[in-house]
Amino acid sequence: EVELVESGGVVVQPGGSLRLSCAASGFKFDDYMMHWVRQVPGKGLEWVSLVSWDGGRTEYADSVEGRFTISRDNSKNSVFLEMHGLTTEDTALYYCAKEGSGGSCLDGWGKGTPVTVSS
Amino acid sequence: DIQMTQSPTSLSASVGDRVTITCRASQFISTYLNWYQHKPGKAPKVLIYASSTLQSGISSRFSGSGSGTEFTLTINSLQSEDFATYYCHQGYRTPYTFGQGTKLEIK
Repeated sequence: EVELVESGGVVVQPGGSLRLSCAASGFKFDDYMMHWVRQVPGKGLEWVSLVSWDGGRTEYADSVEGRFTISRDNSKNSVFLEMHGLTTEDTALYYCAKEGSGGSCLDGWGKGTPVTVSS
Repeated sequence: DIQMTQSPTSLSASVGDRVTITCRASQFISTYLNWYQHKPGKAPKVLIYASSTLQSGISSRFSGSGSGTEFTLTINSLQSEDFATYYCHQGYRTPYTFGQGTKLEIK
């Protein structure tokens, strides 16, 4: 069974930096693209970023391009999200998700880690 | 960026009802359209992928259809556990995007 466990979410001041981690198990990690998706409190889901199986391709939402960096370590079955220049608009629950084989769907999700940007 | 527009954004229905949610893409996305169910405090769950394929383990009361820019999610014979927020999501072109969500509430 797919299990994704996010960590690293904390309260950080505007302009600060943070690194989120996601530990994966239950599937062959290096076969799959991985994503980060966030949900601002009371709002909908927002796709943030993806990384290909080998880390060679990364993509970002316009709202985080240039500030966030996604990476992965296949030897540790982990994916990371490095976040810089945080603003209050980045306050959200951040989910790690595994891409499935059809329609680029996200067929495995963690429970999320909360990030609060506040002074 | 491809914009995804869901309608309605909220829906009130009773157990046993049949409901339909529509998702419209601002550009052609073939059948790269997925539907998720999200309950408070839980991880989102994929219901339908590639427009019409039922995810393993999901009840056959859920069905999806459409291609190009117009898609629908239908839930037959609503059960109490179906009351949640539903999102469409396009995986055709990055940045991937979600619809704004449809909150399904008990009437």
